[in-house]
Order: sequence, then C-alpha cells, then structure tokens
Amino acid sequence: DGGITQSPKYLFRKEGQNVTLSCEQNLNHDAMYWYRQDPGQGLRLIYYSQIVNDFQKGDIAEGYSVSREKKESFPLTVTSAQKNPTAFYLCASSRLAGDEQFFGPGTRLTVL
Amino acid sequence: QKEVEQDPGPLSVPEGAIVSLNCTYSNSAFQYFMWYRQYSRKGPELLMYTYSSGNKEDGRFTAQVDKSSKYISLFIRDSQPSDSATYLCAMSAGGGFKTIFGAGTRLFVKA
Repeated sequence: DGGITQSPKYLFRKEGQNVTLSCEQNLNHDAMYWYRQDPGQGLRLIYYSQIVNDFQKGDIAEGYSVSREKKESFPLTVTSAQKNPTAFYLCASSRLAGDEQFFGPGTRLTVL
Repeated sequence: QKEVEQDPGPLSVPEGAIVSLNCTYSNSAFQYFMWYRQYSRKGPELLMYTYSSGNKEDGRFTAQVDKSSKYISLFIRDSQPSDSATYLCAMSAGGGFKTIFGAGTRLFVKA
C-alpha cells in the first residue's frame, strides 16, 4: 500500500529536550511538508522540501529543524528553542510542489 | 485579511440534509482547489481536487469553484453521521507555489 507514515503517534517530551518526529512516504513524491495544527486552528506550515537535499522555511520555522537526505524521508526535530511545542504535527507529500497533498496520520507531541 | 477565509462553524444538520461548506479567497492566481476531511485526531484526507472553475462530482460530494467571485463550495448530499468531521479547503497557484489552507469548518450530522 502506498502512503505516508508518521511515528510515533504520541510523544512526550520534557522541557529542554530535543525530539525528532519521523515521516516516511513510499508514493515517490518529490515534495514533502511539515505542518503544525493547534486546537481550533488551521494548518501552519513549518518547513517544506521540493526535492532531495533542499528545504525552505515555512511560516513558523523558528525552533524547528529538518533534513531531506532521502526522497522518502523528511524528519522534523523540535528543539528546546521552540517555546510552545505542544501540538499535533502533520507530515504531507505531493508529487510536485503545489500539487494536491496527501497527509500522514499525525504525531501528537506533549511537553511535560 | 487572510488569503483564505472559512467559517469555523460548528455546523449542525440532521441526517439526510444537504450540507454546503464554503471558502472565499483573495488571490486571483489560485488555480487548484482542494477539499479535505479531517476526523478528530487524524490526518486530513483528500476528498476533492479541482482545477480552475466549474463543478466536479464524486458520489455524494460536489465541489464547485467560482473564480469570478473567488468562492468555492463543497456540497454533501444525503449527509450521514459518519460525515461528522472538520472540512478544510485548500488552494494553490501551482507551479511550486505554496498551498494555503482554510481554518476548517466543523460539521456535526445528527442521527
């Protein structure tokens, strides 16, 4: 089955710790994205990548970092510099940037 | 002014009703329009994808785009309790430009 997987589903972090969220796709898509969703709010773009070894900041990149070393993988690190990291994180991919996006199941991060 | 405006609801309808969900936008460069359905604590699922103006039908769902009015709609016929979810509109100019999402409308279909 083609799709996007995210792990873990739930993640708990202590203040001051960095954590990495995994995103993998087997759709052979060039573009991948990370969004943050807070209760009652829309999707806010954190980072996106149009092609391997290239990525750009989205609207709320501060306190986050990404890498795109392989086409199928786009991990997101939430650093200790992110002041309010508790949220639902969604990874998406599209064939090309600007095409319709397909989403993973999400990771819910809670800072204790 | 946001690029995409979407009434957050909630919208509550009885089972079997026709539901109309809408978004307005300000960027005339948008050419690709999408509707997503998101169940609680799940990732959004692509429902409809349309290019430029016109209608597209898929089962009980119809997407409508009016570029002259900068207005898009999603109609759900014979609504079911399983349609209860948040519906997100999204749009893009294509060609590598970012996709912009609406904030979502919460829909409740009562049995």
